[in-house]
Amino acid sequence: QVQLVQSGAEVKKPGASVKVSCKASGYNFNRYGISWVRQAPGQGLEWMGWINAYNDNTNYALKLQGRLTVTTDTSTSTVFMELRSLRHDDTAVYYCARDFRELELQRPGYWGQGTLVTVSS
Amino acid sequence: QSVLTQPPSASGTPGQRVTISCSGSSSNIGSDIVNWYQQLPGRAPKLLIYSNNQRPSGVPDRFSGSKSGTSASLAISGLQSEDEAVYYCAAWYDSLNDYVFGTGTTVTVL
Repeated sequence: QVQLVQSGAEVKKPGASVKVSCKASGYNFNRYGISWVRQAPGQGLEWMGWINAYNDNTNYALKLQGRLTVTTDTSTSTVFMELRSLRHDDTAVYYCARDFRELELQRPGYWGQGTLVTVSS
Repeated sequence: QSVLTQPPSASGTPGQRVTISCSGSSSNIGSDIVNWYQQLPGRAPKLLIYSNNQRPSGVPDRFSGSKSGTSASLAISGLQSEDEAVYYCAAWYDSLNDYVFGTGTTVTVL
């Protein structure tokens, strides 16, 4: 079965960077893209960006361009999300999520368990 | 601030039918498929409906989705206590090149 296992909680200071990992298993890693979605405390879901695990093409939300980088390590079937110049309002639970269907790109279906990132001075 | 508008809350007694609306525009719902997600308290979201009206394996047929023009809706028939959750619609937004989620609807079973 499809599984996405994320790295543990992080506490960072404003201005720092955070890198969260998402290890995939149970399917052919190269055939599906992975999105990152975040949820601030008590708030709704916000799509951040996506990577095509086959060719490493990426697409980032406009508001995060310049601060967000998503990469893959195909040798370990792992996707990484790095967010730089952290601000207090980046405090959120960050989820990775695999495309549900192979031809419906950037539409998440299977979700990781979430990683809490707290930005605090 | 989401571009897909949902009512903040909906409720019903066990066994009742509850419907949640999702209003968008020609740049998102009007030109793309709609997915629905269920988020139980303290849990990661789960895909509930894909491609407007399809249920992934394991999702009870009490859940159904539909789309018409620039709006979509999710219906829960035979409401159960375990259906208490927040429900989000989502669709691709052409103008933003972005996958947008609805504002979310909290369903309460009375």
